[in-house]
Amino acid sequence: AQSVTQPDIHITVSEGASLELRCNYSYGATPYLFWYVQSPGQGLQLLLKYFSGDTLVQGIKGFEAEFKRSQSSFNLRKPSVHWSDAAEYFCAVGAQAGTALIFGKGTTLSVSS
Amino acid sequence: KAGVTQTPRYLIKTRGQQVTLSCSPISGHRSVSWYQQTPGQGLQFLFEYFSETQRNKGNFPGRFSGRQFSNSRSEMNVSTLELGDSALYLCASSLTGVSGANVLTFGAGSRLTVL
Repeated sequence: AQSVTQPDIHITVSEGASLELRCNYSYGATPYLFWYVQSPGQGLQLLLKYFSGDTLVQGIKGFEAEFKRSQSSFNLRKPSVHWSDAAEYFCAVGAQAGTALIFGKGTTLSVSS
Repeated sequence: KAGVTQTPRYLIKTRGQQVTLSCSPISGHRSVSWYQQTPGQGLQFLFEYFSETQRNKGNFPGRFSGRQFSNSRSEMNVSTLELGDSALYLCASSLTGVSGANVLTFGAGSRLTVL
């Protein structure tokens, strides 16, 4: 069965600084990978996804993520963080047909001025 | 295009009661999945319905049940509520249902508090 680990529970970044959120997955084959963001009191919004092809994927709001098979990672990056990026971020992995999307425990991002 | 709509947004129940939550998916989406979100356990998969059939189920007790109607709207029910059922219940819809490549669109959730 697939699983997802987000090692960082909480990260604080200064506004304008770069951001990297870590995600490691466990799955025997090539997974489908997702990053979602959740603002307080809201549902989850898809930032980006990786299914196949180019390992560097671009998403909304200036985010990107890189799939590294050798490291079983799918880290999320943003070159310059804005105060509005403060939220909780979830990495998720989808495997073969017949299984549900599995989410990591999330990383809370705080942005300081 | 309307998003995923969940009702009610907030509700308070007491132990032993039951609750029904509703989810209207995006028009044209035939799959509805339900997740429970708590601070301790994170997002846990409850079940998924596609064309009125439950096709996938998470590891929750039988007190948690759901159904899907012919218009793809879905309801979930929790009977004999326990304090630990307090959570944000999220519904998500997708076009094709069970697949690792499933792109889920989430609703804003129903916040259940059990006293």
